[in-house]
Amino acid sequence: EAQVTQNPRYLITVTGKKLTVTCSQNMNHEYMSWYRQDPGLGLRQIYYSMNVEVTDKGDVPEGYKVSRKEKRNFPLILESPSPNQTSLYFCASSGTGLTGAFFGQGTRLTVV
Amino acid sequence: GIQVEQSPPDLILQEGANSTLRCNFSDSVNNLQWFHQNPWGQLINLFYIPSGTKQNGRLSATTVATERYSLLYISSSQTTDSGVYFCAVEPNFGNEKLTFGTGTRLTIIP
Repeated sequence: EAQVTQNPRYLITVTGKKLTVTCSQNMNHEYMSWYRQDPGLGLRQIYYSMNVEVTDKGDVPEGYKVSRKEKRNFPLILESPSPNQTSLYFCASSGTGLTGAFFGQGTRLTVV
Repeated sequence: GIQVEQSPPDLILQEGANSTLRCNFSDSVNNLQWFHQNPWGQLINLFYIPSGTKQNGRLSATTVATERYSLLYISSSQTTDSGVYFCAVEPNFGNEKLTFGTGTRLTIIP
């Protein structure tokens, strides 16, 4: 089954404690992205990757890092999480075919 | 950047009713998709439809690219259709970044 898998689904952490949210896709897609969703602000892109070792900033990259060492994986790293990074995070992937983007199940992160 | 407006913002319907959701966008697009965000927060890809018409069961969508709008039709609504429907577009010069509309919250009452 074609899918984008994020882990964990839910996470509560403390300010300053480094964390990684993993994302993996099994569709051999070139493009992968991270979005965050906040009430009143909608979905905004954090980072994206056009292919292995190629990443670039989206609209709200501050406080986040990404890496794309393998085509299927695109982890999101919060080196020093702060409460304003409490949000619902989505990973997405898309390819060159005419199917559009597919989203993972979401990760609900709370930073206290 | 490109603007995406959706209407209506909220819609409450009785089970079995039909509905039409609208998405207007301000510039030419490479990609337009409709998503359903269910009550558990998951974003489900409904249609990839930069132009033309597609149907999938009780749902169908039409995009008129030259007039910069898209419509999502839901027929014979069921309670499982409840949630928020988003339209998202990628501009022609895009980097695969989707710009999302503010959504239509649909509530289906049994």
